[in-house]
Amino acid sequence: AQSVTQLDSHVSVSEGTPVLLRCNYSSSYSPSLFWYVQHPNKGLQLLLKYTSAATLVKGINGFEAEFKKSETSFHLTKPSAHMSDAAEYFCVVSLSGYSTLTFGKGTMLLVSP
Amino acid sequence: DADVTQTPRNRITKTGKRIMLECSQTKGHDRMYWYRQDPGLGLRLIYYSFDVKDINKGEISDGYSVSRQAQAKFSLSLESAIPNQTALYFCATSDARAGQQAFFGQGTRLTVV
Repeated sequence: AQSVTQLDSHVSVSEGTPVLLRCNYSSSYSPSLFWYVQHPNKGLQLLLKYTSAATLVKGINGFEAEFKKSETSFHLTKPSAHMSDAAEYFCVVSLSGYSTLTFGKGTMLLVSP
Repeated sequence: DADVTQTPRNRITKTGKRIMLECSQTKGHDRMYWYRQDPGLGLRLIYYSFDVKDINKGEISDGYSVSRQAQAKFSLSLESAIPNQTALYFCATSDARAGQQAFFGQGTRLTVV
């Protein structure tokens, strides 16, 4: 079985400050992990993915995430928030092979000037 | 043209009506999925198909059915729509060779009145 928990439903930051969106997963096997972003009234866009290569994964728009097996975490970070980062972010887990994707409930990132 | 196309993009229907949402893809992927998104609940899996002859129920399949007409087409039907099926519906595709990364359509906003 696999599951994913996003620890914050909302995160508020000021423009130019760091962003941290937290995600913990549960998986019996080595998982694939993803972060997707959804801007208002838009579809879902892949930010980055971890598939058992390097544990520090760099994505688009300056985001990165670190896979920590001992902590079963895959937190998303960005050094400096931009107004355009305001969106909802989803952490997603999948086992290898014949497995579906399981989504977290999402974290809404609010960026203030 | 989009790789994953959903039609219609918006639909308002009455309680008790049958409605079909369609999805087509040009990515050549074997795997296709239907999700629904509700505020605060993330995306939940309705049905998925790993190839043309394979159909599987997801987390919330009650009240829905699907048809995989071809590798590129996967439709979702609501046999008798009810108001709590009002949601944003997403079709997605994936390919295990691409590390399970999912590609999403733009979504169909369905309102049942």
